[in-house]
Amino acid sequence: DSGVTQTPKHLITATGQRVTLRCSPRSGDLSVYWYQQSLDQGLQFLIQYYNGEERAKGNILERFSAQQFPDLHSELNLSSLELGDSALYFCASSYSGGVNNEQFFGPGTRLTVL
Amino acid sequence: QQQVKQSPQSLIVQKGGISIINCAYENTAFDYFPWYQQFPGKGPALLIAIRPDVSEKKEGRFTISFNKSAKQFSLHIMDSQPGDSATYFCAAPSSGSARQLTFGSGTQLTVLP
Repeated sequence: DSGVTQTPKHLITATGQRVTLRCSPRSGDLSVYWYQQSLDQGLQFLIQYYNGEERAKGNILERFSAQQFPDLHSELNLSSLELGDSALYFCASSYSGGVNNEQFFGPGTRLTVL
Repeated sequence: QQQVKQSPQSLIVQKGGISIINCAYENTAFDYFPWYQQFPGKGPALLIAIRPDVSEKKEGRFTISFNKSAKQFSLHIMDSQPGDSATYFCAAPSSGSARQLTFGSGTQLTVLP
C-alpha cells in the first residue's frame, strides 16, 4: 500500500458527461501528479501540483482540469467525455515535487466512457 | 519534448534466466533515471533508480546500467522469478524547465515457472 488513495475505483459514464476523480496524497507529501494510462499510450503525465499551486503541465486536454486543495487532496475534472478518454487515471504524490523524488502511485481510477 | 523509447514491448523468460529491458532517451537537463514496476490492478511502484555519478547500480537481483554518451539505460533482472512477472516502465526527466518524468511505453515481463 503506497499510502495514496484514489476514489472512485471504477467509473462508468456516457459520452458528453463530466466526472471528478479524487486523490489523497501520502501523509506529508506536498506534490500531486496526475497520469493517464491507456493501452496504446503508456503512462502519460497530465499535470502536477505542489502545495496548492500548479507546477507543471503535460499533455492535458483543455477539457480536463485539476486543482489541489488546502488539505493537499487533489481532484481531476474531466468534461465533455469522449470514448477515447477511457483509461486508467493514476494519481501519484511525492514530498517536494522534485524530478528525483520518488513518486508514490495510488491504485488508480478506471474510467469507462460508453 | 522528451521521448523515451523502451524495448521490448513484451518479454518471456524462463525461471532463473536474465531479463533485459532497454530504454533510450533524447535529452535531459537532469540525470535521474528510475524504473517502475507495475503489477496487474496496481499502480506503478519505484523499483530502482540511477543518478549521474555512477554508470551502474545494483540492488539485489536488479541492476541498472547507464550509458550517458549513448543516451541509453537498461534494466537487468538476474535469476528471474515468476513473481517478477509485471510491467516495467523506465523514465527520464524532461528536457524542459518543468523537469517532469517522461515514461517509456512499458515492457510486459512474463517469467515462466
